[in-house]
Amino acid sequence: AQTVTQSQPEMSVQEAETVTLSCTYDTSESDYYLFWYKQPPSRQMILVIRQEAYKQQNATENRFSVNFQKAAKSFSLKISDSQLGDAAMYFCAYRSPGGGADGLTFGKGTHLIIQP
Amino acid sequence: EPEVTQTPSHQVTQMGQEVILRCVPISNHLYFYWYRQILGQKVEFLVSFYNNEISEKSEIFDDQFSVERPDGSNFTLKIRSTKLEDSAMYFCASIRDRSNTGELFFGEGSRLTVL
Repeated sequence: AQTVTQSQPEMSVQEAETVTLSCTYDTSESDYYLFWYKQPPSRQMILVIRQEAYKQQNATENRFSVNFQKAAKSFSLKISDSQLGDAAMYFCAYRSPGGGADGLTFGKGTHLIIQP
Repeated sequence: EPEVTQTPSHQVTQMGQEVILRCVPISNHLYFYWYRQILGQKVEFLVSFYNNEISEKSEIFDDQFSVERPDGSNFTLKIRSTKLEDSAMYFCASIRDRSNTGELFFGEGSRLTVL
């Protein structure tokens, strides 16, 4: 079974600064998908960014980018120019390629605080 | 933009009572899920549903839980006899098909409080 580990229960960053959230995972599969989801206080989980394991290039979405290290099974999220609206719980998640059945495996989450 | 909707947003119930949580997935999606998040803990997979039957379920999804899609629209999670430890946020999610690159769309969740 796959596991996802987020070792930082909470992170704090000054507005406009850059912060990196860590995520490691364990799997025996060679092909899979990785995701970062954001869960603001309004509760709905929103997809921030995703990475296909077969792609070597790190995914980027505006101020959000990942550092995907497949050999190390590491998938960190970098948020540049942090904004107050980035404050939320961030969950790293893993999905098998044919995983229509078993959905996502989540980490425990990192609570991101943005200091004004 | 289409979205997954869940009702109720919050339900308070007495231990031992039956609870039904409802979800309306995105209309052209084929796979449906329920996840649970106990306060302060990680989001946990409960069950997946495809073609009107359970595809996969976790150890959490015991005989007290059931799911169904009675009318082709709603996707419900029933807890027959609630326990205190069932208090959690329950998220419904859906995905279009297995060939999709993997993005699950989540609802806003239903908070269940068991007293």
